Amino acid sequence: DGGITQSPKYLFRKEGQNVTLSCEQNLNHDAMYWYRQDPGQGLRLIYYSQIVNDFQKGDIAEGYSVSREKKESFPLTVTSAQKNPTAFYLCASSPLGRTPYGYTFGSGTRLTVV
Amino acid sequence: AQSVTQLGSHVSVSEGALVLLRCNYSSSVPPYLFWYVQYPNQGLQLLLKYTSAATLVKGINDFEAEFKKSETSFHLTKPSAHMSDAAEYFCAVEKSSGDKLTFGTGTRLAVRP
Repeated sequence: DGGITQSPKYLFRKEGQNVTLSCEQNLNHDAMYWYRQDPGQGLRLIYYSQIVNDFQKGDIAEGYSVSREKKESFPLTVTSAQKNPTAFYLCASSPLGRTPYGYTFGSGTRLTVV
Repeated sequence: AQSVTQLGSHVSVSEGALVLLRCNYSSSVPPYLFWYVQYPNQGLQLLLKYTSAATLVKGINDFEAEFKKSETSFHLTKPSAHMSDAAEYFCAVEKSSGDKLTFGTGTRLAVRP
């Protein structure tokens, strides 16, 4: 079955470490997105990409980096510059040109700083 | 800018009671509208979407929503709440083709036995 796979489901980071969250989709979707979710704040867009080798900053990109070397993959790196990284991270994808499709979401990665 | 407002961050209903979750959008043109549900520690799942084909949209698990242009609203309803409906619900809007979705801040639904 097609879908989005996020891994790992739980991740622990020490202060000063970079960590990378994986997001893979086999839906042949063009666009991919990363959101951060904190209690009571809804979903905040970190980065998005509509085509391979191109991506744009969202509303809260500081302290994060991404790459899009393959259509299927959109990994997110949480760098040491992100001062408060503890959150639930969601990856999503959507086809372009098939409005209104909406997004398909992965099951999320919960990142905790220890 | 495109936005959605969800009135009520927490809603509590009794099992068997009507569920009403409110969503208002701001747009100069009728947008595309979505409702998603999120269970604890999971991703978001699409409940239903408005595509302009019909103003009353039926989704999964007996949920439905009605697009009211005059009220710029897209409220989510279910006639009879089940315990399994306890979750967080998000309204989202897409202004036009290719635009990113804008999400509301969510409404957490609690269902009392």
